Amino acid sequence: DAGVIQSPRHEVTEMGQEVTLRCKPISGHNSLFWYRQTMMRGLELLIYFNNNVPIDDSGMPEDRFSAKMPNASFSTLKIQPSEPRDSAVYFCASTLTANSNQPQHFGDGTRLSIL
Amino acid sequence: GQQLNQSPQSMFIQEGEDVSMNCTSSSIFNTWLWYKQDPGEGPVLLIALYKAGELTSNGRLTAQFGITRKDSFLNISASIPSDVGIYFCAGPSNFGNEKLTFGTGTRLTIIP
Repeated sequence: DAGVIQSPRHEVTEMGQEVTLRCKPISGHNSLFWYRQTMMRGLELLIYFNNNVPIDDSGMPEDRFSAKMPNASFSTLKIQPSEPRDSAVYFCASTLTANSNQPQHFGDGTRLSIL
Repeated sequence: GQQLNQSPQSMFIQEGEDVSMNCTSSSIFNTWLWYKQDPGEGPVLLIALYKAGELTSNGRLTAQFGITRKDSFLNISASIPSDVGIYFCAGPSNFGNEKLTFGTGTRLTIIP
């Protein structure tokens, strides 16, 4: 079975450029989460969706960050304009239902470096 | 917000040794989850605990849900090289069951 698929796996770009990270959740999963992982702050939840609807974006750092889920099988996280402090590993996770008793399945992440 | 503190931050052990780590919270949790992250990969769920006092095993791993509901423990017996990685505890946040708060992580290194 395919797990959560993220692309690209690595992205290196210059500051000021737009960055788009992509995620395909596990088929049939109704909740999708975007996380950011850094050495300093650990694993932080940025935003999550239930049934394609954004439920809580309180973790999104600032207006430069936006996320969409146009359908049940695809989500994007966009940073525009990017800054060096955005460098981190970004993970997408999905779960069957909106209940923490359901395990979240993580993708392998996108390692983002902003120069 | 809620914080989950894990200790130790890192461990260096020899293959075959047992490992113990714990996670403490400033507030009560109703669910405790333990994840492991291998280098270059996303976290993978190891064990889920749903009741205070619960003791659950998954192979060489055993986790316990503390009686106070403010802590949890993970033990690994007879460690092997593939146990290397970062172990995270996690639990639902105050603000809704869907959101997880992750601990600070315990990095396990096995010395050959």
